[in-house]
Amino acid sequence: QKEVEQNSGPLSVPEGAIASLNCTYSDRGSQSFFWYRQYSGKSPELIMSIYSNGDQEDGRFTAQLNKASQYVSLLIRDSQPSDSATYLCAVTVTLVFGAGTILRVKS
Amino acid sequence: DAGVTQSPTHLIKTRGQQVTLRCSPKSGHDTVSWYQQALGQGPQFIFQYYEEEERQRGNFPDRFSGHQFPNYSSELNVNALLLGDSALYLCASSFWQGPDSNQPQHFGDGTRLSIL
Repeated sequence: QKEVEQNSGPLSVPEGAIASLNCTYSDRGSQSFFWYRQYSGKSPELIMSIYSNGDQEDGRFTAQLNKASQYVSLLIRDSQPSDSATYLCAVTVTLVFGAGTILRVKS
Repeated sequence: DAGVTQSPTHLIKTRGQQVTLRCSPKSGHDTVSWYQQALGQGPQFIFQYYEEEERQRGNFPDRFSGHQFPNYSSELNVNALLLGDSALYLCASSFWQGPDSNQPQHFGDGTRLSIL
């Protein structure tokens, strides 16, 4: 049974701070990892993909992957109120999703 | 550039009925996957279609079936509806590069199905 675990939150950060979201996965053979953002009542929106160990940066977002520890994280720098959403970690080709972490950015 | 489109947006059915949901993939995509998302949960993989064939399937009963058409659009059918089938049904599309493709999937806005 492939599993993806996330802290459900909510994670509350002040505006301008760094938000750190974490995810662990059980299938050691996993090769592809994704972070999706989902606003309430909306569909998931892809924000980051990462395939190899290390950091992948795109604007204010940085994804980090450590395959030895089976750990994926997402850092959001200069958090904005518009970043308030549920962040879903997904693993492998047919996406196995975590339950998501609710992020709240307070202005 | 048209994204993934799904219809209908909302649907209300009663137990025992059958339902068909529809999806058109993003332009240039040829692979369609379906997911079920219950309230407060992450999406759960139902199945994936490529070249009009079911390529992979998640842990869902045979009541859930699908089809892909030559234009890559797809349908999800659910028979003998149960109260527990109430959820947001999401369609995602991607470009096929083999069964282990790492191509990210792009989601449609979903169909919210309510079973009374």
